[in-house]
Amino acid sequence: DTGVSQNPRHKITKRGQNVTFRCDPISEHNRLYWYRQTLGQGPEFLTYFQNEAQLEKSRLLSDRFSAERPKGSFSTLEIQRTEQGDSAMYLCASSTKYPVTKGNEQFFGPGTRLTVL
Amino acid sequence: SQQGEEDPQALSIQEGENATMNCSYKTSINNLQWYRQNSGRGLVHLILIRSNEREKHSGRLRVTLDTSKKSSSLLITASRAADTASYFCATDFLSYNTDKLIFGTGTRLQVFP
Repeated sequence: DTGVSQNPRHKITKRGQNVTFRCDPISEHNRLYWYRQTLGQGPEFLTYFQNEAQLEKSRLLSDRFSAERPKGSFSTLEIQRTEQGDSAMYLCASSTKYPVTKGNEQFFGPGTRLTVL
Repeated sequence: SQQGEEDPQALSIQEGENATMNCSYKTSINNLQWYRQNSGRGLVHLILIRSNEREKHSGRLRVTLDTSKKSSSLLITASRAADTASYFCATDFLSYNTDKLIFGTGTRLQVFP
């Protein structure tokens, strides 16, 4: 396992369509995060899983967004009824609590770039 | 927005010169990290400094942290063209019980050969 992977890398969709992204974290990492990044900005936190439990959701995550992490392994992020404002890079990251000396170093995937027409 | 501020927003230097970028944040932190992002790609972790540390080195990188001023700086010495990227600071805050990171707005570094 060489790192966090995300699929697809690019997605172009029409407004109103639903899209789903997948993230496969580093296998021994129990913590998984989704972030969104728009052009010229830093990533913004969307949601966090510890194992299969979704422990925090940002106010940025409207009810059109849903994320799951069944069995505590891969995660999916679905956006329903996409809007042009959803166009962004969606980044997934994973981390582990151990070793404690490493702090919360997060390992990021390459991202999925979403374009809503 | 909870994002911190970074300055400068953009920095252009020649190979061999040093690059310094600064980050300010708003509330008490556990750790502060620096990440690099090449154009349109994922982020790569560079270095982490804890709130009880003042300075840390890793190769050509030097990070300082001043918790009284709520600020950090990243120094890249003897820069190379391959250092061209965007650099982000990220913090995790004491007031939260998750490990989410709050990112700054980033500094875009261009190193000319």
